[in-house]
Amino acid sequence: GENVEQHPSTLSVQEGDSAVIKCTYSDSASNYFPWYKQELGKRPQLIIDIRSNVGEKKDQRIAVTLNKTAKHFSLHITETQPEDSAVYFCAASSQAGTALIFGKGTTLSVSS
Amino acid sequence: NAGVTQTPKFQVLKTGQSMTLQCAQDMNHEYMSWYRQDPGMGLRLIHYSVGAGITDQGEVPNGYNVSRSTTEDFPLRLLSAAPSQTSVYFCASSYSRSNTEAFFGQGTRLTVV
Repeated sequence: GENVEQHPSTLSVQEGDSAVIKCTYSDSASNYFPWYKQELGKRPQLIIDIRSNVGEKKDQRIAVTLNKTAKHFSLHITETQPEDSAVYFCAASSQAGTALIFGKGTTLSVSS
Repeated sequence: NAGVTQTPKFQVLKTGQSMTLQCAQDMNHEYMSWYRQDPGMGLRLIHYSVGAGITDQGEVPNGYNVSRSTTEDFPLRLLSAAPSQTSVYFCASSYSRSNTEAFFGQGTRLTVV
């Protein structure tokens, strides 16, 4: 089955810096790669996603890149703000769409 | 729309007790799933369903049962609770399959003593 590895497990940056979180997946049939943000005590919420027919996607300060050959994808947050502090999860889903498998999460801390 | 609703929000069980975590969605989503979240372990898939009457196992199914008699409801049953099942449980639903946006419930914090 699918296995998703996520790095780093913790990331501390200064306000205004960029943050990058990286994930690798094992199943070459996976074609959907979402990123979720979870604030303390809250439910995970989708912040951006990418499909395998696209190499990069941007939404304001957030971008995701996908390298299908290497089976890795990354989340980029620019101009970080204290409200970006949260746990971020990457995930991968097979083309059959039967399971969404998550990485173990990255705790991002943005200090002002 | 209420979205995905889980009950209860908190529960304490004694070892060996059974209980059912409830999950309901009002978005007419076909796909529903259950995850457990433990510190440092991320979200691990327990069971999922691609439609009414169809369920399958995820990454960590042992000790849990599910059924999907209607599109709206997807209950998770703990048959004989163990301390290792102490966790936060999330139910999620997606429009068609797992390769569409997942909407999560607010979670159930379960403690087994």
